Amino acid sequence: DADVTQTPRNRITKTGKRIMLECSQTKGHDRMYWYRQDPGLGLRLIYYSFDVKDINKGEISDGYSVSRQAQAKFSLSLESAIPNQTALYFCATSDPGGGSGPAYNEQFFGPGTRLTVL
Amino acid sequence: DQQVKQNSPSLSVQEGRISILNCDYTNSMFDYFLWYKKYPAEGPTFLISISSIKDKNEDGRFTVFLNKSAKHLSLHIVPSQPGDSAVYFCAASEGFGNEKLTFGTGTRLTIIP
Repeated sequence: DADVTQTPRNRITKTGKRIMLECSQTKGHDRMYWYRQDPGLGLRLIYYSFDVKDINKGEISDGYSVSRQAQAKFSLSLESAIPNQTALYFCATSDPGGGSGPAYNEQFFGPGTRLTVL
Repeated sequence: DQQVKQNSPSLSVQEGRISILNCDYTNSMFDYFLWYKKYPAEGPTFLISISSIKDKNEDGRFTVFLNKSAKHLSLHIVPSQPGDSAVYFCAASEGFGNEKLTFGTGTRLTIIP
């Protein structure tokens, strides 16, 4: 079973609609992240959360909001979707101090959600 | 302002030869660097990392070199195999234990059989 799951995997929506992308993890990590990937721009950080009561804006938070419902769940919402939010969205997790993977500071990624806004 | 740059969007290499992927950074506070590999329809997965106290780290066919004075790192894959065809992202962080990463734009590596 995947440690970091994202739902839905694909979504097509219309301009102006509200949409929520969900992320769940079974790794027991406190820290969770949302990124978007665009061609030629790499992965850019949208929001991150270091524990349930902590929410921080990333590089490109405008037009997005998040909710950390529990340690294992971190949701990303687009309040009113627009076409330039069409992208691949990734959720990631990490452990404080980075001691859970083969490298310090490692993040573990979900499989991604491909979102298209028409 | 792109703090981590991968100036080659794509690279093609013959199977069995060496692949060299490059990454430059501008933030002098970065002191830990990671390479991630991404296949289509999957999330990025960790490949290899290096701390700023080192100038080289090797793991099997993969070696990462860091030149702090030039703010440059490179990933060497030798010998290159067809399964290495993927997008490679360089990432950097400030401070040991700080998992907030800044990613580069990625390089698509294609290994030609």
